[in-house]
Amino acid sequence: EIVLTQSPTTMAASPGEKVTLTCLASSSVNYIYWYQQKSSASPKLLIYYTSSLASGVPDRFSGSGSGTSYSLTISSMEAEDAAIYYCLQLTSTPYTFGAGTKLELK
Amino acid sequence: QVTLKESGPGILQPSQTLSLTCTFSGFSLSTYGMGVGWIRQPSGKGLEWLANIWWDDDKYYNPSLKNRLTISKDTSNNQAFLKITNVDTADTATYYCARITTDYFDYWGQGVMVTVSS
Repeated sequence: EIVLTQSPTTMAASPGEKVTLTCLASSSVNYIYWYQQKSSASPKLLIYYTSSLASGVPDRFSGSGSGTSYSLTISSMEAEDAAIYYCLQLTSTPYTFGAGTKLELK
Repeated sequence: QVTLKESGPGILQPSQTLSLTCTFSGFSLSTYGMGVGWIRQPSGKGLEWLANIWWDDDKYYNPSLKNRLTISKDTSNNQAFLKITNVDTADTATYYCARITTDYFDYWGQGVMVTVSS
């Protein structure tokens, strides 16, 4: 099973601040997918195939990485970005999610 | 417009079988490359993938629960199903179904809360 380790676990960012979240895989994966979950809502797809922006997602979000190291970047933090962010690997079953990074507004 | 909605019993007792239904619109499970997956989330915790079913009836299960899971579909009625046998309190969670397009989950349902309690 591929384990995804996200860091940090929790962080706070000020409006306008650049934010970088990390997802490390225990084995190499083909792609990473990023989801945003607010309050008790269902997860929302942000990034697919590591760096492709999902439809309707603001372009302040971007993804990068390869092999075992991936990141999600918010170029300029906005209040609406406060949420929990999960990474997901679909390279091999069982598909696995990271434990999430909780991003708060400072 | 793609929508998915989960339904389930709400509460059930340990050792019972949990039956979940995902009713969707805006796509067909008979279309090449389409699939539906089930994911669950205990309150305040992370996400756990459970199972996928594909347009060609191919199925994948999480090995940690494989012997307890059965996924199926009714293409004509745009529904997918998940059964979990012999539930216990550890199965208490919000259960989501999600569309799989090519190979990733794009649209998710709102989720259904399931509580296992005696």
